[in-house]
Amino acid sequence: DAGVIQSPRHEVTEMGQEVTLRCKPISGHDYLFWYRQTMMRGLELLIYFNNNVPIDDSGMPEDRFSAKMPNASFSTLKIQPSEPRDSAVYFCASSTTLVSPYEQYFGPGTRLTVT
Amino acid sequence: GQNIDQPTEMTATEGAIVQINCTYQTSGFNGLFWYQQHAGEAPTFLSYNVLDGLEEKGRFSSFLSRSKGYSYLLLKELQMKDSASYLCGNLRGQNFVFGPGTRLSVLP
Repeated sequence: DAGVIQSPRHEVTEMGQEVTLRCKPISGHDYLFWYRQTMMRGLELLIYFNNNVPIDDSGMPEDRFSAKMPNASFSTLKIQPSEPRDSAVYFCASSTTLVSPYEQYFGPGTRLTVT
Repeated sequence: GQNIDQPTEMTATEGAIVQINCTYQTSGFNGLFWYQQHAGEAPTFLSYNVLDGLEEKGRFSSFLSRSKGYSYLLLKELQMKDSASYLCGNLRGQNFVFGPGTRLSVLP
């Protein structure tokens, strides 16, 4: 079975540019999560969806960040404009209520560098 | 992580048993989970507890005391491949919160 798919795996961009990260959850999973991980702040939840509806976006840093889930098999996280402090590894994860929302399957992550 | 405390680093010997503690703020608590993360990789799920007591899963066990805001992850028969970070987290309200992680080094 294919796991969570994220693209791109690496992104290097200049400050001020728009960045779009993409995620395809595991088929049949009804929860989708976006996390950010840095050495300083650890693993932080940005936003999560249940059945394509945003449930909690309290972790979204500011208006520069936005996330969408237009259908059950695709989500995007957009940063516009990007800043150097956005440099981090961004993980997407999915889970299913048939098992537990705690049991999340993480994608390989997107390593974002903003110069 | 918000109000979740774990030791920063631990060292143990191959074949031994190690206990990684986690304390958290009890308000709004809805469940506790543990993840393993090898360096440069994504986290992988280990366990979750919603009720008090010990949950055993092979070499790994997780314990929860809701009244004390305390959990631990017990790793038995340590192997070199268990060298990783172990993240404690909980569901508070509708927010999934992870602790800072404990980096475990298993020595031969």
